[in-house]
Amino acid sequence: DAGVTQSPTHLIKTRGQHVTLRCSPISGHKSVSWYQQVLGQGPQFIFQYYEKEERGRGNFPDRFSARQFPNYSSELNVNALLLGDSALYLCASSLAGPTGELFFGEGSRLTVL
Amino acid sequence: AQTVTQSQPEMSVQEAETVTLSCTYDTSESDYYLFWYKQPPSRQMILVIRQEAYKQQNATENRFSVNFQKAAKSFSLKISDSQLGDAAMYFCAYRSQSAGGTSYGKLTFGQGTILTVHP
Repeated sequence: DAGVTQSPTHLIKTRGQHVTLRCSPISGHKSVSWYQQVLGQGPQFIFQYYEKEERGRGNFPDRFSARQFPNYSSELNVNALLLGDSALYLCASSLAGPTGELFFGEGSRLTVL
Repeated sequence: AQTVTQSQPEMSVQEAETVTLSCTYDTSESDYYLFWYKQPPSRQMILVIRQEAYKQQNATENRFSVNFQKAAKSFSLKISDSQLGDAAMYFCAYRSQSAGGTSYGKLTFGQGTILTVHP
């Protein structure tokens, strides 16, 4: 069975541009979470979506947005990119509820120049 | 808000030896989950072991075990018989078990510990 897949794996943008990152969860998983991992640090929670609704949001500016589609895949959008947005963006999917293990993708490495 | 602290930026161990990674956390909740994740250079975060706070018995998974001290808010990971493949960044993470709109997809991670295994 396919795991969590993310695209693109690497991308380079310039300041002020917009980026869209994509995530396909494990089949049967209805919850998707996004994390930002700056080099050398632990991941920081950005969003969780479950059944196409936002269920949680971390301390990130409104330039960050996300959505979940009927097939449970998800997009993370970042507008007006800043140098500080350079990071590894991780997507994780899980079954519903507190006992559902999070399965992570390999991430999208974003570099902002 | 919950916080997770890993005070060891780097640790090293000889192959076949035992190493312990430290983690402390701060929370006002009584029910929660704690996790150790491994992130090798391939970047994919892999769950190593998890502990439910209501369980007094320490979790074990093959060569990996934890020492969970709820009162002290301490959650250390012991790796026995270390192997070269254990080399990675290790993260301690916290998840709330509270109901009522809490995001179950939200993990709070520590800063990580880089583990080097010497042959």
